[in-house]
Amino acid sequence: DAKTTQPNSMESNEEEPVHLPCNHSTISGTDYIHWYRQLPSQGPEYVIHGLTSNVNNRMASLAIAEDRKSSTLILHRATLRDAAVYYCILRGRDDKIIFGKGTRLHILP
Amino acid sequence: NAGVTQTPKFQVLKTGQSMTLQCAQDMNHNSMYWYRQDPGMGLRLIYYSASEGTTDKGEVPNGYNVSRLNKREFSLRLESAAPSQTSVYFCASSLRGGAAGELFFGEGSRLTVL
Repeated sequence: DAKTTQPNSMESNEEEPVHLPCNHSTISGTDYIHWYRQLPSQGPEYVIHGLTSNVNNRMASLAIAEDRKSSTLILHRATLRDAAVYYCILRGRDDKIIFGKGTRLHILP
Repeated sequence: NAGVTQTPKFQVLKTGQSMTLQCAQDMNHNSMYWYRQDPGMGLRLIYYSASEGTTDKGEVPNGYNVSRLNKREFSLRLESAAPSQTSVYFCASSLRGGAAGELFFGEGSRLTVL
């Protein structure tokens, strides 16, 4: 199973952009990069996903390196409600979806 | 919209007791999953089902059994509960297998084994 590596925790100031990194050096050509976040006492929720090109949606942007061995989730303007654990996962064709420990994001007011 | 529904939300068991966690989704999804999350940890995959009638082991299947009863329902059974199985259990579903499908999670079932 392809694995991802993320920092254990990060801090950011409110109303500033946040860049959450993820390394996935063993990614295969058919793996999609997915990001989820988990707010306190809730189940994870989908944020964004991509294959090769950068992606944008209402929640965030996903920047994927040209060699696809790393990616960055970008929150353009962090709010206190964005404090959560963010998971970067690889989703391949075999349906076996493995989560790591994620990055705990702290937002400073 | 119900989405993914888990029951019960809370349960306390004594060591050796058995119980079944129920999960149902109303989104006509093919794939369903069971994860556990211990305090301060990430999610670990217990079992998954890529389609009705199929189940596969995840990272931590020991001590658990699953049944994909139909397309909507995926249950997780603890035959003889142990304190090490104290955890929050999350069920998830996805429209299709393959790489692009988005996962939808339930609210979780908090299990304590004494």
